Amino acid sequence: AQSVTQLGSHVSVSEGALVLLRCNYSSSVPPYLFWYVQYPNQGLQLLLKYTSAATLVKGINGFEAEFKKSETSFHLTKPSAHMSDAAEYFCAVTKEPGNQFYFGTGTSLTVIP
Amino acid sequence: DTAVSQTPKYLVTQMGNDKSIKCEQNLGHDTMYWYKQDSKKFLKIMFSYNNKELIINETVPNRFSPKSPDKAHLNLHINSLELGDSAVYFCASSPGLAGGIDTQYFGPGTRLTVL
Repeated sequence: AQSVTQLGSHVSVSEGALVLLRCNYSSSVPPYLFWYVQYPNQGLQLLLKYTSAATLVKGINGFEAEFKKSETSFHLTKPSAHMSDAAEYFCAVTKEPGNQFYFGTGTSLTVIP
Repeated sequence: DTAVSQTPKYLVTQMGNDKSIKCEQNLGHDTMYWYKQDSKKFLKIMFSYNNKELIINETVPNRFSPKSPDKAHLNLHINSLELGDSAVYFCASSPGLAGGIDTQYFGPGTRLTVL
């Protein structure tokens, strides 16, 4: 069975500080991994995805994530937080086509001015 | 142009009523989904259709019945609404089969409140 665990349901950072949102996965085979962002009162949109092409994945809005097989992790980072980054962030995992997505429980990011 | 649209955006109704939520995508995608997001923001898939065919049907009460008249539309009908059905329901679509590397595109959500 596949799943993802997001450590920390709430993360607060100061504006300009490093953002680190954690995601660990469990999968019996190399998975596909995703980060989605949900701004207040909106649907989810894709930030980035890992498809085994490169372990360091760059996404939109300055976010990136690194796939570490040895740690079964896919943490999301951004060097400098912006007020507009305040949102809910979801990690998700799936395998080959025909398998469903499994979303993590989400991490709410607050950016303090 | 809205890629994935849902109607209505808000739905307030009494327990025991029957209601429907509609979803349309203009992306030409083959697969559509319904997700339920509870008050703690937990997101869980309910159904997935590929070219009008049901491919994922999670453990959802049979009061929930999806209908896909064509591959651009996936509607959700809920019978005998209960308090626990209160949530935000998201429709999504993706180009290929569920899972894999395809990006899912989400609608804006329908906030259902059952009184």
